[in-house]
Amino acid sequence: EAGVVQSPRYKIIEKKQPVAFWCNPISGHNTLYWYRQNLGQGPELLIRYENEEAVDDSQLPKDRFSAERLKGVDSTLKIQPAELGDSAVYLCASSSQAGGLYNEQFFGPGTRLTVL
Amino acid sequence: DQQVKQNSPSLSVQEGRISILNCDYTNSMFDYFLWYKKYPAEGPTFLISISSIKDKNEDGRFTVFLNKSAKHLSLHIVPSQPGDSAVYFCAAMETGTASKLTFGTGTRLQVTL
Repeated sequence: EAGVVQSPRYKIIEKKQPVAFWCNPISGHNTLYWYRQNLGQGPELLIRYENEEAVDDSQLPKDRFSAERLKGVDSTLKIQPAELGDSAVYLCASSSQAGGLYNEQFFGPGTRLTVL
Repeated sequence: DQQVKQNSPSLSVQEGRISILNCDYTNSMFDYFLWYKKYPAEGPTFLISISSIKDKNEDGRFTVFLNKSAKHLSLHIVPSQPGDSAVYFCAAMETGTASKLTFGTGTRLQVTL
């Protein structure tokens, strides 16, 4: 079974340019997460989707960040315009709604963004 | 405000010895704790977890201990193997929050021959 797929793996852009990241979750997983991991830090949740609905976007900087998951499957995270401080690894994760205490989150390899 | 803290950025252990990774948390609402392992250029992978109703959970070479009164947990790896060299993240959540995880800053473990 394929894992969480993310593209691109690496992206270098100049500040003020737009950038987009794509994620395809594990088949059948209806919960999708976008995290940002700054250098030397742990992942921090940006947004969580249940199917096509963004149910937690409280940590998403809405002035420049946007996300969509139109058909409840793959998702795109966009930054426009990018700032130097946006340099980080952007991780996508997915989980099923199997019930229980914790629905294990499966992470993709991430997209490493460098803003010059 | 760092609610989950891993105060040791790195740890070096000889192969065959015990590795002990520590984690502290401040939010008393956290009641489920997890350890994730991350290799370079890969996403984190789930390793082991523990509910607050327990004080120990064991899975093969990996054991997690929870001290609720001290708001402290630790991951023991015995015996350590070179393939265990990775970054280990402690994470915590409050049940009923749809698996919303708060991660620590990670500890880089190096197992030497």
